[in-house]
Amino acid sequence: AQSVAQPEDQVNVAEGNPLTVKCTYSVSGNPYLFWYVQYPNRGLQFLLKYITGDNLVKGSYGFEAEFNKSQTSFHLKKPSALVSDSALYFCAVRDGGDNFNKFYFGSGTKLNVKP
Amino acid sequence: NAGVTQTPKFRVLKTGQSMTLLCAQDMNHEYMYWYRQDPGMGLRLIHYSVGEGTTAKGEVPDGYNVSRLKKQNFLLGLESAAPSQTSVYFCASSSGRITEAFFGQGTRLTVV
Repeated sequence: AQSVAQPEDQVNVAEGNPLTVKCTYSVSGNPYLFWYVQYPNRGLQFLLKYITGDNLVKGSYGFEAEFNKSQTSFHLKKPSALVSDSALYFCAVRDGGDNFNKFYFGSGTKLNVKP
Repeated sequence: NAGVTQTPKFRVLKTGQSMTLLCAQDMNHEYMYWYRQDPGMGLRLIHYSVGEGTTAKGEVPDGYNVSRLKKQNFLLGLESAAPSQTSVYFCASSSGRITEAFFGQGTRLTVV
């Protein structure tokens, strides 16, 4: 069955420090992976995606993510966190196999960046 | 440059009442989705559509119906609202199999 896991409900980091938000997935076919950010009372905004090619993907606002096929992971990273990065982050996967019509979302990770 | 627009943004219903949530997209996308967001549960897919005139069930379809009579619109209906349907509802659209989804601003629905 297709699924996405975000093992941390909350991540706390000091401004200026690197941040990592974890995501693991399970799909039957090739994975198409996405990260979204949600600010309070707003919809989800697309950050970046991995479809194929280079395992390190760069996206909006200085975020990047690393695809690791052997560990079935797609962790979100940023070298230097900003207070304005504080938000709810969602990992999503689209199955390149039988269930390609659907996006599967993780439960979300709340990122708190403290000054 | 509207993108995905949801109507209404807020609504309070009494148990047993019905309502329709409207989602409109101006990007000519084929795929459209309805999700609900509940604390600690992320986004759960209610129904989706892969093109005009088509609909399919997602993870949590019970108590909801949908229609996609026009490509740009995807309607979500609640025939008899229940308190368990209190949630934030998001509509999204995408152009193809490997493309990202674009989300609306959400509808906060409370059923009392």
